[in-house]
Amino acid sequence: SQKIEQNSEALNIQEGKTATLTCNYTNYSPAYLQWYRQDPGRGPVFLLLIRENEKEKRKERLKVTFDTTLKQSLFHITASQPADSATYLCALVVSNQGGKLIFGQGTELSVKP
Amino acid sequence: NAGVTQTPKFQVLKTGQSMTLQCAQDMNHEYMSWYRQDPGMGLRLIHYSVGAGITDQGEVPNGYNVSRSTTEDFPLRLLSAAPSQTSVYFCASSYSAGTRSGEQFFGPGTRLTVL
Repeated sequence: SQKIEQNSEALNIQEGKTATLTCNYTNYSPAYLQWYRQDPGRGPVFLLLIRENEKEKRKERLKVTFDTTLKQSLFHITASQPADSATYLCALVVSNQGGKLIFGQGTELSVKP
Repeated sequence: NAGVTQTPKFQVLKTGQSMTLQCAQDMNHEYMSWYRQDPGMGLRLIHYSVGAGITDQGEVPNGYNVSRSTTEDFPLRLLSAAPSQTSVYFCASSYSAGTRSGEQFFGPGTRLTVL
């Protein structure tokens, strides 16, 4: 069956450290993958997009990698800050399903000062 | 631009009642979609539309209807509310559909409780 899985347990890290979140998928052929941030009581906000032929993408303190062999994306936040505390969602755009966006369940990140 | 707007923000229904969740966007986006978000389940796609007059089912379409008569509006109708439809509903839009699509813009959500 098709699955997208993110770390189900909350990730707690100290301010200044690098947070690494994982997104694994099975039985999908993604055209590309997106990462979103969601704060409590709000809608998700787009952060980054990485295409299947790209290995890595960076934006300021954010870095995303995409390994189609391992079927995995890693999302890194360097020099983390308490303001980075939120839930982070990965989403696949599936090329053989009309381009629909399929989300993982999200990982809650808490950055302690 | 107001972006994606949703009304109402909160709603309580009794089992069997019907209602329409409103969604509008002012960015001239082709693609619009509805998701529901339940604890531990992530966002699940209910219905989506790739343009005015075109709609299709997502992962969990049962109990919901949609229509897209204009580019701007994409209402979601609950035909006969059930407690299992208690959830937070998000509407989203993006510039285009398919593999050309980019970021999705989400509305603030509607928190629905069915008693």
